[in-house]
Amino acid sequence: DGGITQSPKYLFRKEGQNVTLSCEQNLNHDAMYWYRQDPGQGLRLIYYSQIVNDFQKGDIAEGYSVSREKKESFPLTVTSAQKNPTAFYLCASSIVGQGGEKLFFGSGTQLSVL
Amino acid sequence: AQSVTQLDSQVPVFEEAPVELRCNYSSSVSVYLFWYVQYPNQGLQLLLKYLSGSTLVKGINGFEAEFNKSQTSFHLRKPSVHISDTAEYFCAVTAGGSQGNLIFGKGTKLSVKP
Repeated sequence: DGGITQSPKYLFRKEGQNVTLSCEQNLNHDAMYWYRQDPGQGLRLIYYSQIVNDFQKGDIAEGYSVSREKKESFPLTVTSAQKNPTAFYLCASSIVGQGGEKLFFGSGTQLSVL
Repeated sequence: AQSVTQLDSQVPVFEEAPVELRCNYSSSVSVYLFWYVQYPNQGLQLLLKYLSGSTLVKGINGFEAEFNKSQTSFHLRKPSVHISDTAEYFCAVTAGGSQGNLIFGKGTKLSVKP
């Protein structure tokens, strides 16, 4: 089955620790995205990438970093600089187009602070 | 810049009743509009989208939405809901360019009661 796999499903972070969320897709999509979801706040874009080895900041990139070394993979690191990391993180992918493309989402990672 | 407002954060409704989830947007240029659904602890999936053409758009699971340019609205409707429609629904807007420009509303939680 083609789709997007996010892991782990639940993740806990200690103070001062960096943690990395995994996102892998086998849809052959060029574009990948990371969103943060807080209750009652909708989805906010953290980073996105439209091609390997290139990515752009979204609305709330501070305290996060990404890499795109392979088309299939777009890992997100939540650094110690992100002071309020507790949230549900969603990865998505799409074909590259003019903006009318459907986003395909993974099932999310819930990050909590210990 | 675009923005989107979902007017109701929660909508309770009885099974087999009709439902309307309201979405208004703001933009000085033409837009693409989307409705996504999120079931508990899952990612989002596309219900329907408006790119151009007919203003009445039909989607999956019996949902439809009507694009109204004069009222800048894109309300989602279903004539008869089921328990399984209980989920959170997100309206989203973009002026195009790339899906990195997609703006999500804060969501409406639809609760269908027996």
